[in-house]
Amino acid sequence: DAGVIQSPRHEVTEMGQEVTLRCKPISGHDYLFWYRQTMMRGLELLIYFNNNVPIDDSGMPEDRFSAKMPNASFSTLKIQPSEPRDSAVYFCASSSGTGDPFFGQGTRLTVV
Amino acid sequence: TQLLEQSPQFLSIQEGENLTVYCNSSSVFSSLQWYRQEPGEGPVLLVTVVTGGEVKKLKRLTFQFGDARKDSSLHITAAQPGDTGLYLCAGAGRGGSNYKLTFGKGTLLTVNP
Repeated sequence: DAGVIQSPRHEVTEMGQEVTLRCKPISGHDYLFWYRQTMMRGLELLIYFNNNVPIDDSGMPEDRFSAKMPNASFSTLKIQPSEPRDSAVYFCASSSGTGDPFFGQGTRLTVV
Repeated sequence: TQLLEQSPQFLSIQEGENLTVYCNSSSVFSSLQWYRQEPGEGPVLLVTVVTGGEVKKLKRLTFQFGDARKDSSLHITAAQPGDTGLYLCAGAGRGGSNYKLTFGKGTLLTVNP
């Protein structure tokens, strides 16, 4: 398997623009997680899905952030409108049941 | 306030030296995981410890879970340049969910040849 695939790897956007990050989990994994990593706060869980259903979105910072999982092989994290403080590395991870999580390579987002 | 405090934040040593990094919390976790993250990559799971007092070894790496399941340590023997990376600990079980991992900020280890 190719592992968890995230796109794009790097995104630079202007403040106020909409940003969409994409994730393809490992085939057969039924849990999908979105994390954000910054120097100040470290790695934080934003939201996770089980069988395409959002289970816990308590980590989503505000209404500007939304995540969807329309099917078992695709998820998106959208920020609208984006702000400079959203600049971070966003990771997607997937796991099978209580199995080990596997992380993607991340998307480095810069909002100017 | 960080739920999981890792120390030291930065560590730079010479090849062949031994080192220990720590992960401390005032909260009890059902399990604790250690990850290594290299630049431009996502974290990679090294080990999961579940039982208080548990010790696990992975080649030159020794992981220990505290008796009260609030803290953990990672000891590396005879460090090599390939051990360089950000070491993260993560606790599971807060809020009743084993899927919600709480991460520390990590220890950035540099092993110089």
